[in-house]
Amino acid sequence: DTGVSQDPRHKITKRGQNVTFRCDPISEHNRLYWYRQTLGQGPEFLTYFQNEAQLEKSRLLSDRFSAERPKGSFSTLEIQRTEQGDSAMYLCASSPPVRSGNTIYFGEGSWLTVV
Amino acid sequence: AQTVTQSQPEMSVQEAETVTLSCTYDTSESDYYLFWYKQPPSRQMILVIRQEAYKQQNATENRFSVNFQKAAKSFSLKISDSQLGDAAMYFCASSPGNMLTFGGGTRLMVKP
Repeated sequence: DTGVSQDPRHKITKRGQNVTFRCDPISEHNRLYWYRQTLGQGPEFLTYFQNEAQLEKSRLLSDRFSAERPKGSFSTLEIQRTEQGDSAMYLCASSPPVRSGNTIYFGEGSWLTVV
Repeated sequence: AQTVTQSQPEMSVQEAETVTLSCTYDTSESDYYLFWYKQPPSRQMILVIRQEAYKQQNATENRFSVNFQKAAKSFSLKISDSQLGDAAMYFCASSPGNMLTFGGGTRLMVKP
């Protein structure tokens, strides 16, 4: 299966530590998205890449968050100086290079618990 | 700004029966897309059905169909012949472009 892959699936970290999540999109997809989902809520958009260019960023993405997509392939989401409020599932998704509105495919998510 | 509202936090249906999940949205865009996603307990979000706003015909995918009322900004999902495997969180989402805005979700329980 060559779906969207995320690593690690679960991460427990102490407050103040930095964490990094990796996402490998479906191979022919040039669009990549990061969402955050807390328990009992719908996902919230964080950021969007088309190839290596970061084209949109949500106001939710504070200066402690940084996302990259070098060479337009995999992407990383780093959270610096984690806070308990960062505890959530971080979802990565990708979509193919066609007109907007095309189906977005999600990964299984990376759970972050900040203690 | 877009908003998506799902007014039913939980719904329950008997196996083999039909259930309808409600969704309303608000957007200033004239061209947009609407989606229903399913998130089973394993947590991976799976697309159930999508609707282009410019199409008047309601989308259908096997046992899943939508009732799209553009003027009322309503986009409900009907699941026919419900199966135990349909139990999950269902999220309604809208997108004028590349960004999806999700509702808060409806937890669907299927009783055997």
